[in-house]
Amino acid sequence: GQQVMQIPQYQHVQEGEDFTTYCNSSTTLSNIQWYKQRPGGHPVFLIQLVKSGEVKKQKRLTFQFGEAKKNSSLHITATQTTDVGTYFCAPPGGGADGLTFGKGTHLIIQP
Amino acid sequence: DGGITQSPKYLFRKEGQNVTLSCEQNLNHDAMYWYRQDPGQGLRLIYYSQIVNDFQKGDIAEGYSVSREKKESFPLTVTSAQKNPTAFYLCASSFLAGGSTDTQYFGPGTRLTVL
Repeated sequence: GQQVMQIPQYQHVQEGEDFTTYCNSSTTLSNIQWYKQRPGGHPVFLIQLVKSGEVKKQKRLTFQFGEAKKNSSLHITATQTTDVGTYFCAPPGGGADGLTFGKGTHLIIQP
Repeated sequence: DGGITQSPKYLFRKEGQNVTLSCEQNLNHDAMYWYRQDPGQGLRLIYYSQIVNDFQKGDIAEGYSVSREKKESFPLTVTSAQKNPTAFYLCASSFLAGGSTDTQYFGPGTRLTVL
């Protein structure tokens, strides 16, 4: 599968601050998915990006796919305690039609 | 109520014992996957299956075995050959998107602890 690096591994923010996680690949990606895993829970699909330079928004979450399709980012505006969890990027890989998951960024929010 | 279920939620076993983790889905998905997650880490693929009676090794298949006798079911056996089996095991399923990548739906997971 295609390997990606996610940074940062951990991010502490005060509630109300913004948060960004980055996903970087050394190879061009056909698409990339993002998942969120709450503490003690299971990953849940957030979004898929396919086009070069694509930007998608879900309320306070903004997802971007780089022009070269080698990187992606997730930005959360004005974090809330419900945003706590681990955010994974997942390009294709790991078996036909499967995914390769990055190590994730753990978001910790201090009230 | 559609979804993917895993049982049990918590499982304890003694060293040297085999144990089977259940995964069932009623989403009519073709593909099913097993992942292992260690504390603070990402997901690593153990096995996957695209069709009944066929499955493929993932990145860390050693010490594990699977079967796919029915489309809905994909049980994972953790054998005594797995040297460090304590982990969180996640099952997932998806449609086969025919060359692109479809969304994966995850079960709630099974936490296995070897005593």
